[in-house]
Amino acid sequence: QSALTQPASVSGSLGQSITISCTGTNSDVGRYNLVSWYQQHPGKAPKLMIHEGSKRPSGVSNRFSASKSGNTASLTISGLQAEDEADYYCCSYAGSSTLVFGGGTKLTVL
Amino acid sequence: QVQLQESGPGLVKPSQTLSLTCTVSGGSISSGSYYWSWIRQPAGKGLEWIGRIYPSGSTSYNPSLKSRVTISVDTSKNQFSLKLTSVTAADTAVYYCAREHYGDYVDLWGRGTLVTVSS
Repeated sequence: QSALTQPASVSGSLGQSITISCTGTNSDVGRYNLVSWYQQHPGKAPKLMIHEGSKRPSGVSNRFSASKSGNTASLTISGLQAEDEADYYCCSYAGSSTLVFGGGTKLTVL
Repeated sequence: QVQLQESGPGLVKPSQTLSLTCTVSGGSISSGSYYWSWIRQPAGKGLEWIGRIYPSGSTSYNPSLKSRVTISVDTSKNQFSLKLTSVTAADTAVYYCAREHYGDYVDLWGRGTLVTVSS
């Protein structure tokens, strides 16, 4: 069970859109539609932003969306705002009742 | 609303056992819709799923930690616990207790507690 692969960092300007990728294998991301995404501000606990591939919990802005193609899931944030600057983690069900996280991506809003 | 709070020693000596407890308030740990898990994060690094316990008391663990991990539950106290044996400096991390929705995603996190492994 290896960690999912995310870019270490991405950046975008206020108002623009960015996409963060999350690459796994056909044993996790590719096999199950159970990818979730978390936002983590410094010193804080992660916050669920997307679950079951593309579902937004109540209270999460519709500027956050997600999709999947093959073994790669993606999180898109549109209309970037300053408060979106944070670390983002993907997570997937990995079979055998286990979960696996990605290494995390630091989003910088310019 | 449901809240989770980790507690336990912040400093553990190498080769000893790390023990943490998570207290669930505002709801029952026996609710059948949720599972209860531990996740850790070394400083400046990513999240690592450690394992979970089901309302039935059965468990699932990260294969890389399975030989050293035990998660248990005390429903009378609305708590669940983590034990990690034979710790080394590599086990130094912020440890989060969390609630999983049917084991598919984490929908609630504790605030986390820093555990340092050092002599």
